[in-house]
Amino acid sequence: AQSVTQPDIHITVSEGASLELRCNYSYGATPYLFWYVQSPGQGLQLLLKYFSGDTLVQGIKGFEAEFKRSQSSFNLRKPSVHWSDAAEYFCAVGSNSGYALNFGKGTSLLVTP
Amino acid sequence: SQTIHQWPATLVQPVGSPLSLECTVEGTSNPNLYWYRQAAGRGLQLLFYSVGIGQISSEVPQNLSASRPQDRQFILSSKKLLLSDSGFYLCAWSVAGARDEQFFGPGTRLTVL
Repeated sequence: AQSVTQPDIHITVSEGASLELRCNYSYGATPYLFWYVQSPGQGLQLLLKYFSGDTLVQGIKGFEAEFKRSQSSFNLRKPSVHWSDAAEYFCAVGSNSGYALNFGKGTSLLVTP
Repeated sequence: SQTIHQWPATLVQPVGSPLSLECTVEGTSNPNLYWYRQAAGRGLQLLFYSVGIGQISSEVPQNLSASRPQDRQFILSSKKLLLSDSGFYLCAWSVAGARDEQFFGPGTRLTVL
């Protein structure tokens, strides 16, 4: 069965610093991978997705993620964090069959001045 | 463009009362529809999904039920709410199941007292 692990529950970074949020997945075949962001009291917004091809994918708001099959990882990165990036971030994995996406438990990002 | 609506935005209900949450999608036909519940620190739990009118699949046995009376309408219900039903309920839609991104509504905050 698919599963997603986000090892960091909370992360604090200074504004302007770089950011990396970790995501590890467990899935036998090539996964479909997603990163979502959720502001407090809001729904989830898709940041980026990986289906196949280039393992470095670009998303909205200056985010990127790299798929590393050997490490079963899909880490999210941003070179310079803005205060507005403070939110909850979710990694999710899908498959070529079925309907459910499996979500990690999320990483809460705090941005300090 | 496609939009997804949920109402109400917030709801406070006594234990034992009924529940009806509604979700509608605009701008697409025959979407896959999903209900998730989000509890603090537990990520997103898929409750139900639907691939067509009248077709409902339950992921987790519980006090809730779902219905899809129209192509772009998805309803989450309960006959008698429990305290444990409190949470943030998110509706989502997708084109093609778990290999496709899901688009989320703004959510409903349910508090059962």
